[in-house]
Amino acid sequence: NAGVTQTPKFQVLKTGQSMTLQCAQDMNHNSMYWYRQDPGMGLRLIYYSASEGTTDKGEVPNGYNVSRLNKREFSLRLESAAPSQTSVYFCATDRYSGNTIYFGEGSWLTVV
Amino acid sequence: SQQGEEDPQALSIQEGENATMNCSYKTSINNLQWYRQNSGRGLVHLILIRSNEREKHSGRLRVTLDTSKKSSSLLITASRAADTASYFCATLNSGNTPLVFGKGTRLSVIA
Repeated sequence: NAGVTQTPKFQVLKTGQSMTLQCAQDMNHNSMYWYRQDPGMGLRLIYYSASEGTTDKGEVPNGYNVSRLNKREFSLRLESAAPSQTSVYFCATDRYSGNTIYFGEGSWLTVV
Repeated sequence: SQQGEEDPQALSIQEGENATMNCSYKTSINNLQWYRQNSGRGLVHLILIRSNEREKHSGRLRVTLDTSKKSSSLLITASRAADTASYFCATLNSGNTPLVFGKGTRLSVIA
C-alpha cells in the first residue's frame, strides 16, 4: 500500500525546458493537491482538484498547469521552466477538502 | 496568502524538556491541524482540532485552541531526539477551501 507516490524524486532542468511531475494515490481519496515548499516560505498551494474532473488555482499557479487524469492521478506540468520554479514539490490527497492530508515524499526540482 | 503563523521560527531544547509551539491565524476556521516534517520527507499529520474544541491530546502531544484569540499551541512533553523536525499548523477556513499552511517551527531536541 504505497499511499501517495510522486515521480521523479529529483530532476534538473534547463531554463525553458518543460516537464511533468506525476502523482498517484491508492487511497481512493477525492481531493488532490500540489504544493511547493521553499526555504522560509512554508508550503504554498499551486493547484488542487477537489474531485475527479475539477481543478482550481491555489496561491501560486502562474507557470504551472495540472491535469486530473482520473481519480488516482494528478499531474503538474511546467511548460517553460524558470529558475524561480526551483523548489521541492509535494503532492497530497485527502478524502474531502479539509480532512487529514496525506503527503507524498516530495520531488526536488532544480532549474538552471 | 498564508493563514497560520508559527512562533517561534526555531526552538532548541534538551531531551526530556517540553516543547511549546504556537500558531496564530487571521480568519474564522473550521479546524486547525498540526503536521510534522522530518528533514527531506513529506509532512505527516499529527492532530486535528475542530473550532468547537478547546483541547486535544494524542500521546505526548497536547493541542489547545483559543478561537477568541485566533491561536493554537502544540505542546510536546518529555521530548526525544526523534522529535527533531519542523512543525506546521494548517487551517481550514470557514469557506472550506484547501488547508493553508504556516511557515513552520524548526524544533531541535539535543540528546
